Amino acid sequence: QVQLVQSGAEVKKPGASVKVSCKASGYTFTSHYMHWVRQAPGQGLEWMGIINPSGGSTSSAQKLQGRATMTRDTSTSTVYMELSSLRSEDTAVYYCARALSSAPFDYWGQGTLVTVSS
Amino acid sequence: EIVLTQSPGTLSLSPGERATLSCRASQSVSSSYLAWYQQKPGQAPRLLIYGASSRATGIPDRFSGSGSGTDFTLTISRLEPEDFAVYYCQQYGSTPRTFGQGTKVEIK
Repeated sequence: QVQLVQSGAEVKKPGASVKVSCKASGYTFTSHYMHWVRQAPGQGLEWMGIINPSGGSTSSAQKLQGRATMTRDTSTSTVYMELSSLRSEDTAVYYCARALSSAPFDYWGQGTLVTVSS
Repeated sequence: EIVLTQSPGTLSLSPGERATLSCRASQSVSSSYLAWYQQKPGQAPRLLIYGASSRATGIPDRFSGSGSGTDFTLTISRLEPEDFAVYYCQQYGSTPRTFGQGTKVEIK
């Protein structure tokens, strides 16, 4: 069965970076794109970006102003999302979610809470 | 960027009642690449509807989607206790992918 298992909760100080992982299993890792979505406390869903695990190409939301870097490791079927220059407003649950090209997000990770606080 | 606006913000209904949720796009959603997700507290979103009207695997037939272009609707024909949750629409036809702000369906 398809599973996306994310790394555990993180607490970071403003200005630091955080790297969240998402390990995929139960399907061919390179067959689906992986998206990152975040959700601030009590708020809605915000799309952050996409990575193609096959070639490694990425695209991210302009709002993040280049602070998000997505990478993958095909040997472990894991994708990573690193967010730099953290601010308090980056406090959120971060999700990975897989999708085919121009397709909905059919499987989601369990979420990783990132708290940014001094 | 396609902006999705959902209405109402909150829907207060009783079990057994019909729920009608709206999602309006700022521009036409190509090929009806419109999805609906359900999210319960502390859980990841779950895909309900894709292609505006196709149910995802395992989704009960009391959930239905309709619409095209800029106006889309999610209907829950008879609310079950487990249906009280927040619902999001999403367009996946263009980048950036965007979500509506959500509609909370609460018990009246």
